[in-house]
Amino acid sequence: DQQVKQNSPSLSVQEGRISILNCDYTNSMFDYFLWYKKYPAEGPTFLISISSIKDKNEDGRFTVFLNKSAKHLSLHIVPSQPGDSAVYFCAASANYGQNFVFGPGTRLSVLP
Amino acid sequence: DGGITQSPKYLFRKEGQNVTLSCEQNLNHDAMYWYRQDPGQGLRLIYYSQIVNDFQKGDIAEGYSVSREKKESFPLTVTSAQKNPTAFYLCASSKGMSGDQPQHFGDGTRLSIL
Repeated sequence: DQQVKQNSPSLSVQEGRISILNCDYTNSMFDYFLWYKKYPAEGPTFLISISSIKDKNEDGRFTVFLNKSAKHLSLHIVPSQPGDSAVYFCAASANYGQNFVFGPGTRLSVLP
Repeated sequence: DGGITQSPKYLFRKEGQNVTLSCEQNLNHDAMYWYRQDPGQGLRLIYYSQIVNDFQKGDIAEGYSVSREKKESFPLTVTSAQKNPTAFYLCASSKGMSGDQPQHFGDGTRLSIL
């Protein structure tokens, strides 16, 4: 029973355009959400986070949107660059001391 | 240059053999974690430790064991009881376990069966 879902295993986008990666969750107790980026043969690196008291958080080219009523969050990358090609994981956590639950990941390919 | 070091990068296990994966961090983080990644799946938590000399089972602890004798070290042993050990193993650490403290990951160890 997947509590965190990323229903698109892969996504291809043209360089310079917007990339939108989606994540859905089922546990209404989740209150922190993170996005990680992973290159092949490397560990994931933290990208951006959002808490449930916000509906948007922005960091440079990366923006995360949270829709609590729909239990949905999305990561927008604008403009997309070839170096953004990687696997993106969504992760969620509920309360202090609770472990993060990771989604299966979406592989983004940014085409030059 | 702080970070997490996992070794070896590649490891091969014979049938019936125990193998130990190393994880060392110099970030002065209290919490450490072990995850397993299989193709097409997210990261699944094997074990975690909030402080030295204490650790807890994650979602898939069967066939694995850990120790946390030092703050900077959290080795994972894949025992012969783990019947499907072939996977990519990731170690992570964080300052604490609140949701606003992201985990820092090592570069992983890929374990295969001979």
